[in-house]
Parts: sequence; structure tokens; C-alpha cells
Amino acid sequence: IAGITQAPTSQILAAGRRMTLRCTQDMRHNAMYWYRQDLGLGLRLIHYSNTAGTTGKGEVPDGYSVSRANTDDFPLTLASAVPSQTSVYFCASSDSSGANVLTFGAGSRLTVL
Amino acid sequence: GQNIDQPTEMTATEGAIVQINCTYQTSGFNGLFWYQQHAGEAPTFLSYNVLDGLEEKGRFSSFLSRSKGYSYLLLKELQMKDSASYLCAVRDSNYQLIWGAGTKLIIKP
Repeated sequence: IAGITQAPTSQILAAGRRMTLRCTQDMRHNAMYWYRQDLGLGLRLIHYSNTAGTTGKGEVPDGYSVSRANTDDFPLTLASAVPSQTSVYFCASSDSSGANVLTFGAGSRLTVL
Repeated sequence: GQNIDQPTEMTATEGAIVQINCTYQTSGFNGLFWYQQHAGEAPTFLSYNVLDGLEEKGRFSSFLSRSKGYSYLLLKELQMKDSASYLCAVRDSNYQLIWGAGTKLIIKP
């Protein structure tokens, strides 16, 4: 089934630990995004990539890094997790045509203690 | 600053019609989106408006007035499965999406 796969689905993590959230798409979309969703707030963009080999900072990039070695994969790394990074993380992708509609992964729920 | 406003929660009755409003103040405008998000799931695309007027897609319609910075999502013949959050998002002049916090719609039998 075409779409976006995220892993893990959920994770509890001790503060200070390193964590990588994985994201893979099979739609050959050029653009990929990482958002976090917190109660009472809109989706906030962490990092994005318009095409393989390029990345950019979104609204809330501090404490996160990304890489885009190929079209399909866009991992998000928390170098040293802090409790404020407790959130639901969504990976998304879009093609470059028309409205640039986003397709989202199922999300990764991360709890930092 | 940029801002998207939508009601936090709405309640409607099965079979009825509900209108969810969204007002926005953004740096430029390059389209408005509505997404549906069931609890614990990913957002899924519902509609896209870039010109003023009404876009109809089955039971769902979306309206845009760029001069008023206003949109609404109209849901007809409500079904229990329509219970979800509805997210409004605007693409600004930098082609970045600005998201509202979402409207939680509760459908009662």
C-alpha cells in the first residue's frame, strides 16, 4: 500500500537519550516534512526537505536534526531528548504538482521523562 | 504575526448540517486547506481553496473569501464517522503552511 511509514509508533524515552524517528515513503514525492502536534496547538513544522540532499529549518527546529540521503527516507533525530519534546510527531510528504497536498504518516508518540 | 482561528469544539446531531469557520491573518496567501483528523490518527486531506467561492465534494463543501480572510467547511447529512477534528491551514507567501489548532466535532445520535 502506497504511503508513509513511521517508526516507532510510540516510545518512552529518558531525558538526555538520543532518539531517531524513522520515516519512509514510497510515493516518490520530492518534498518531506516533520511536524509535531501538541494539545491545543496547530501542527508545527520542525524541519523539511524539498528534495533529496537538501533540508531546511521550520518553525521549531531547535533540538532536532534531519537528513535526506535519498528520496524515500527522512529520519528525525533528537540528539539529547528533553521533556518538552514529548509530543506526537508526524512525517508528511507532498509532490510538486498542483496544490501540494500533504500525505501524513500515522505518527510517532514520544514521551520524554 | 500569523494566526489561524477556528472554534475549539462543536457539537452537532447525526443527519444535520454543521459549518466550521476558519479566519486567518497571514503574510500572503497561496491557498487554504482543510484536513480531517480522527482521534489517534493522521490528518487526511479534505479540500483546497485558492480562489474565492465554494468547492463542493460530496457531503463536504469548503468556502473561501480572501478579502475577508475567511473560510468555512460545511458538512451535510452528518454521520457518526464524521466525529473528528477538522484542521484549517493556510499557505503563506513563503509557501509555508500555517495551521490552526483544529476544531473537534462531536456528533450526537
